[in-house]
Amino acid sequence: ETGVTQSPTHLIKTRGQQVTLRCSSQSGHNTVSWYQQALGQGPQFIFQYYREEENGRGNFPPRFSGLQFPNYSSELNVNALELDDSALYLCASSMTSGYNEQFFGPGTRLTVL
Amino acid sequence: AQKVTQAQTEISVVEKEDVTLDCVYETRDTTYYLFWYKQPPSGELVFLIRRNSFDEQNEISGRYSWNFQKSTSSFNFTITASQVVDSAVYFCALRRGEYGNKLVFGAGTILRVKS
Repeated sequence: ETGVTQSPTHLIKTRGQQVTLRCSSQSGHNTVSWYQQALGQGPQFIFQYYREEENGRGNFPPRFSGLQFPNYSSELNVNALELDDSALYLCASSMTSGYNEQFFGPGTRLTVL
Repeated sequence: AQKVTQAQTEISVVEKEDVTLDCVYETRDTTYYLFWYKQPPSGELVFLIRRNSFDEQNEISGRYSWNFQKSTSSFNFTITASQVVDSAVYFCALRRGEYGNKLVFGAGTILRVKS
């Protein structure tokens, strides 16, 4: 059974650029959630995708957007990058949008200069 | 609103000492779930335990144990006979009800176990 994978591992961008982060969910999981973890803080919920539809969103501006594909993999897109977007972005997959625990990938470390 | 507080920012212990990580939560829901995750330096969050609000039984798994007390809204985590490999950041998290979709995390506690 393959776990949650994310790419790339690290990324450096400059302010104003756009970035796409990718996540492959664990086998058998149809739900993907994205979290942003700033240095020294706990992860903050960005949004969740369930069966290719957005299923809940945290307090993040519209320049944070996402997609989920038929194979349940997902992308997180961030436009007009700001310095404060520098963080570890974590993807988590689960069997459904509700009950089951979320399993996390290794994250993508984004640095915005 | 839901909130998780981990008041201990950092704890340092010597190997073989017991250590307890505190977690206090706030929620208006009657049905909710509590979690603990471990984050080693590699960054990946490792699931440790899930507890639902109707199950106040304490749980033990090897050197790990969890104490859930609804009366004080606490879900504390104890590591017995700590080891250097336990060094990590530990997060307590809360999710609402059966249809909740997001985890609300505390700020985390850095645990340093010295040999």
